[in-house]
This record gives sequence, structure tokens and C-alpha cells, in this order.
Amino acid sequence: AQSVAQPEDQVKVAEGNPLTVKCTYSVSGNPYLFWYVQYPNRGLQFLLKYITGDNLVKGSYGFEAEFNKSQTSFHLKKPSALVSDSALYFCAAARQLTFGSGTQLTVLP
Amino acid sequence: GAGVSQSPSNKVTEKGKDVELRCDPISGHTALYWYRQSLGQGLEFLIYFQGNSAPDKSGLPSDRFSAERTGGSVSTLTIQRTQQEDSAVYLCASSLAGTDNQPQHFGDGTRLSIL
Repeated sequence: AQSVAQPEDQVKVAEGNPLTVKCTYSVSGNPYLFWYVQYPNRGLQFLLKYITGDNLVKGSYGFEAEFNKSQTSFHLKKPSALVSDSALYFCAAARQLTFGSGTQLTVLP
Repeated sequence: GAGVSQSPSNKVTEKGKDVELRCDPISGHTALYWYRQSLGQGLEFLIYFQGNSAPDKSGLPSDRFSAERTGGSVSTLTIQRTQQEDSAVYLCASSLAGTDNQPQHFGDGTRLSIL
């Protein structure tokens, strides 16, 4: 059975600083990995995905994620955080998306 | 273009009643998924429809839960004899094809409260 772990329930960063939201996975075979963002009272929005190829994946709103096979990680990153990035972030593995428990990101002005 | 539409957005009902939740996927999307998001927890997979194939019901928590997808489009999730632990946000998603590399597009969910 596949699993996804997000070890941090909350991450706080100051606006303008780089941010990282961590994700590790356990998937047999080649992993298909996704990041989604959820704003209050809304559904999830797709940010980016890793299927194959370059380990650094670029997505929406300036986010990127680095796939590391040896560490079985897929951390979400952004060079300069915005207050508007504050939301709940989910890492997931395909197909009936196995989700991590979510990380609440707060960007402080 | 229209996204995934779910109705109602909120539903409050008494314990023991039956409820129906509706999902209208993006036009042309052949795959449809239902998830449950409980407070303070992640998302739990419930059921998956792909085209005319038999649905994957492996995530349904009990036989009180069922779902249909008529004409390969609109889906209805039915919960019979609701219990308080059924209170959650029920999210529907669709994707262009039920392949692993396709992102899923989510509706805003139905917030279900069982009194």
C-alpha cells in the first residue's frame, strides 16, 4: 500500500523568505506525485506534478518541487513567500490520490 | 470554463436521515472521484468511476455509503441512516482520463453536518 507523509502540521515563514513544505512517500514502482493547495472553504487546486524526467518540477504561482528518489521525498519550495501563499498544502501520490495529512502554511507580513 | 460543481454546498440533517450529494464534473472528463475530508485530517478516498467500467468502491467506509454515475457524467453520493461520524466535507474531483499522471480538478465540496 502506498503512503504519503507530511511531517510538519504547520510551517511559518516571513514574507519574502524562502519556504519549504516537506513530503515523503512510500510507493511501489515509479511514483506519480502531486502538490495541491486548499484555501478556506474551497476545494483543492492543483499546483504541480512529477511524472518522470527532471527532478525539479515547476508549477503554478512560482512554486516548485524537488523529487529525490534516494530520499523518497518531494518537497515543495518557493524562493520568496507571499502572504497570499498562506493556505493548507497537500502532497499526494496517484491514482486514487493517497494524500498526506496536510501542512498549514502561514506567511507572516 | 466551468469547473467541478457540487451541490448542496452545505447540508445539515438529523441523525438517521438519508442524504444525497451531487457532483457535476468538468465536461469531457471521464474519471470521477469522491473523497471525504474530516476536520483535522487529510483526505480519504471513497470511490472512483472511470468511463463505463465498474467503479472502484474500495474506499467506501460502510454499506451505508453508495454512489452512482449516470450517463458517464453527473454523480450522486448517497449516505443512508446518517450518523454523527459522517459529518465531514465531501469532495468530488474529475480528471480528463483515469490515468495516474493526470491532475484532478476538485469542486468546493459539500459540508455535511449531522445533528
